[in-house]
Amino acid sequence: KAGVTQTPRYLIKTRGQQVTLSCSPISGHRSVSWYQQTPGQGLQFLFEYFSETQRNKGNFPGRFSGRQFSNSRSEMNVSTLELGDSALYLCASSLGTGGRGYTFGSGTRLTVV
Amino acid sequence: AQTVTQSQPEMSVQEAETVTLSCTYDTSESDYYLFWYKQPPSRQMILVIRQEAYKQQNATENRFSVNFQKAAKSFSLKISDSQLGDAAMYFCAYIPGANSKLTFGKGITLSVRP
Repeated sequence: KAGVTQTPRYLIKTRGQQVTLSCSPISGHRSVSWYQQTPGQGLQFLFEYFSETQRNKGNFPGRFSGRQFSNSRSEMNVSTLELGDSALYLCASSLGTGGRGYTFGSGTRLTVV
Repeated sequence: AQTVTQSQPEMSVQEAETVTLSCTYDTSESDYYLFWYKQPPSRQMILVIRQEAYKQQNATENRFSVNFQKAAKSFSLKISDSQLGDAAMYFCAYIPGANSKLTFGKGITLSVRP
């Protein structure tokens, strides 16, 4: 059974550019969540999608957005990149609500220069 | 607001020994779940163990067990017979029953001495 797949693994972008990260959940999982991990702030929740609808949202500026497709694959977009957006972005999937636990991907390491 | 606190940033254990990682949380919810996740250098967060708040029995998964003290809002992880492969960052996490947002602690770096 394939796990959660995130692409790309590494990304280097210039300040002011935009970036799109992709996440393919485990087959059958309809919930996809995104987290930002930095040494200073730790793991912070960005948003969660379930059946193509954003069901929950963290405390991030509007430059951070996402969407989910009918096959449950999800993309996360960050516009007008800032140096502080450099982080590991983790995607996680679950069957429904998170009580069963989320399965995480290996993340995308974004570096903004 | 829910918070999860891991007060020890680092711990070290001798191979084959037992180690306990501490975690406390704060919530006003009665229905929630607690987790321990392991993050090795490969970066992937791996679910180690899961506890349902309404279950009094402590969860166990092979060499991993928890001490869940609901009244004290404490959720510690015990690793028995520590192995070199257990070296990683460990995160304690909380989620309310009907919610989808995981709240993580700051994590603890566990090293295992051969």
